[in-house]
Amino acid sequence: AQSVTQPDIHITVSEGASLELRCNYSYGATPYLFWYVQSPGQGLQLLLKYFSGDTLVQGIKGFEAEFKRSQSSFNLRKPSVHWSDAAEYFCAGLTTDSWGKLQFGAGTQVVVTP
Amino acid sequence: DGGITQSPKYLFRKEGQNVTLSCEQNLNHDAMYWYRQDPGQGLRLIYYSQIVNDFQKGDIAEGYSVSREKKESFPLTVTSAQKNPTAFYLCASSPGVRGTEAFFGQGTRLTVV
Repeated sequence: AQSVTQPDIHITVSEGASLELRCNYSYGATPYLFWYVQSPGQGLQLLLKYFSGDTLVQGIKGFEAEFKRSQSSFNLRKPSVHWSDAAEYFCAGLTTDSWGKLQFGAGTQVVVTP
Repeated sequence: DGGITQSPKYLFRKEGQNVTLSCEQNLNHDAMYWYRQDPGQGLRLIYYSQIVNDFQKGDIAEGYSVSREKKESFPLTVTSAQKNPTAFYLCASSPGVRGTEAFFGQGTRLTVV
């Protein structure tokens, strides 16, 4: 079955440290992939997206993600986290025949400590 | 400003009552979606609409109903048949072109009392 998996439910990181959030996908063909961020009680904001081409994608707020076909992964990274990066992060996938029906991972909660 | 407006932000419902959540967009998007969010489960698709006067069931449509009479509006009714309606509900829209991302509203938190 087509799916997106986020193996880490919760990550704690120190302010100024690097962050990497994992996302694995299971699709027959290369999907469109997205990372969204959600602050408590709010909607989702798009951080970045991958459709094709360069496998390293730059997004907003200093985030980037790398698409690795061999590992079926689309991990999100930030070199130096800020306290404002504390939020829940969702990876989502979309196949070429699924017309906008995003499939979401379960999310990773990021806590930033001083 | 263009965007998606969901109202109300908080909603309380007594058991056995139907309740309607509002979603309006001024992005001129063709497609609209309703998701349900529960802790640890990500977002699950309830209903989606690709065009006015047409909509399809998503993965968890039981106990919910929708209408799409106008391009900019996609209200969701949570009926008394929904056994566990307490959740955070998110409305989204997209241009409808294959592969484009969805834009989300700020959500409605529904609590059954």
